[in-house]
Amino acid sequence: AQTVTQSQPEMSVQEAETVTLSCTYDTSESDYYLFWYKQPPSRQMILVIRQEAYKQQNATENRFSVNFQKAAKSFSLKISDSQLGDAAMYFCAYKYGGATNKLIFGTGTLLAVQP
Amino acid sequence: GAGVSQSPSNKVTEKGKDVELRCDPISGHTALYWYRQRLGQGLEFLIYFQGNSAPDKSGLPSDRFSAERTGESVSTLTIQRTQQEDSAVYLCASSRHREDEQFFGPGTRLTVL
Repeated sequence: AQTVTQSQPEMSVQEAETVTLSCTYDTSESDYYLFWYKQPPSRQMILVIRQEAYKQQNATENRFSVNFQKAAKSFSLKISDSQLGDAAMYFCAYKYGGATNKLIFGTGTLLAVQP
Repeated sequence: GAGVSQSPSNKVTEKGKDVELRCDPISGHTALYWYRQRLGQGLEFLIYFQGNSAPDKSGLPSDRFSAERTGESVSTLTIQRTQQEDSAVYLCASSRHREDEQFFGPGTRLTVL
């Protein structure tokens, strides 16, 4: 069974600094997708970034980038120039094509941004 | 256009009562998902709809949980004889097709006293 592990329950970063959130996953599949979602106190899940497993190039979206290490099954999120609005719970998620495309989530990392 | 909406936003009920949670997906989205988020946990998959059929119900935790969907429109998640362990946020997501990005609603926070 596929699993997603986030080993950092909480992280803190100073405004304008850089922070990296860790995620590892376990799968026997070769074709899959990985995601980072942000969940602010409003509970709304917001897609931050996605990575297709077949792509070697790491995905980047403005201040957000990932370090995808397929062999190590590692998928970390780097947030550069952290802003107060980045404070939220961050979830790593895995999706295998299959018949359902359901998302499998980690337990989340609560990110605090200090002014 | 409008995003995924869910109602009610919050629901408090007594143990043993039945509850219905509603999800209105984005118009034109054929795939619909229900997830459960317990306090301090990640989201757990409950059920997937393609149109009005549910090819994957593998995440439903017990036969007290059921869901239905009308065409490619609204879905209702029903929990019968609620228990305290059912307390959680229930999130709905929809996507245009099952392989596309899932867009989430704001969730319903269910509290069972």
